[in-house]
Amino acid sequence: GAGVSQSPSNKVTEKGKDVELRCDPISGHTALYWYRQSLGQGLEFLIYFQGNSAPDKSGLPSDRFSAERTGGSVSTLTIQRTQQEDSAVYLCASSRRQGADEQYFGPGTRLTVT
Amino acid sequence: KNQVEQSPQSLIILEGKNCTLQCNYTVSPFSNLRWYKQDTGRGPVSLTIMTFSENTKSNGRYTATLDADTKQSSLHITASQLSDSASYICVVRNSNYQLIWGAGTKLIIKP
Repeated sequence: GAGVSQSPSNKVTEKGKDVELRCDPISGHTALYWYRQSLGQGLEFLIYFQGNSAPDKSGLPSDRFSAERTGGSVSTLTIQRTQQEDSAVYLCASSRRQGADEQYFGPGTRLTVT
Repeated sequence: KNQVEQSPQSLIILEGKNCTLQCNYTVSPFSNLRWYKQDTGRGPVSLTIMTFSENTKSNGRYTATLDADTKQSSLHITASQLSDSASYICVVRNSNYQLIWGAGTKLIIKP
C-alpha cells in the first residue's frame, strides 16, 4: 500500500527554463489534484483530474502551466519559462473518487527558480 | 464569496497544555469540513471530517466541533505533545465539490 509519490523532491532551475513535476497517485484512485504552496501560505488549487472527464483547470495561474494524466494514473505538471514567483512546494493528492472522500497527499516537490 | 478563515495565524504553547484552533467559513452550499495536519516538509494528513449533522467528533487527543448555524468550527488539542507541532488546515467542501482551503494555523509546542 504505497502512498502518493512525487518526484523530484527538490528542483532548482534557472529562470526561463521548463520543468516537469511528476505525481504517482495511489493505485485505484480516480481523482488527482495539484496544489501549490508558497512559503508560509495556504494551499492554492491548480488543477483536478477525475477519471476520464475533462480536467478542471480553473486554478492554473497562467498558460505557462499545464498538466497531463496519462492512462488515468501518473500525472505530470509542466511549467514553461519558469519565473521566480513560481518558486513554491507543489503538492499532489489523490482520492478514490470525486466527492467527500479524503485526499491523500504526496510529500511535495520543492521548486526553486533562481 | 467562498472563504475560510483560520485563527490564530500562529500559536506557541507549552507541552502538556491544551489549545483550541478556530475556523470560520462563508462557504455555501456547505457539504463538509475537514481538518488536516501538515508537518513541516510533508503533505497534509486528514485528522477528521465533519458533516452538517455532526457537532463534535474526536480522534484521540483531537476534538473537532462544528456549528453549522454560525459557520464555525474548532479543533481542540488536549495534553499537547511535541509531535503536535505542525500547521493545522481547515478545508470546507461545497455541494459543487469545490474545496476552499484555509491558510492554516501554525502550532509550536515547546518543552
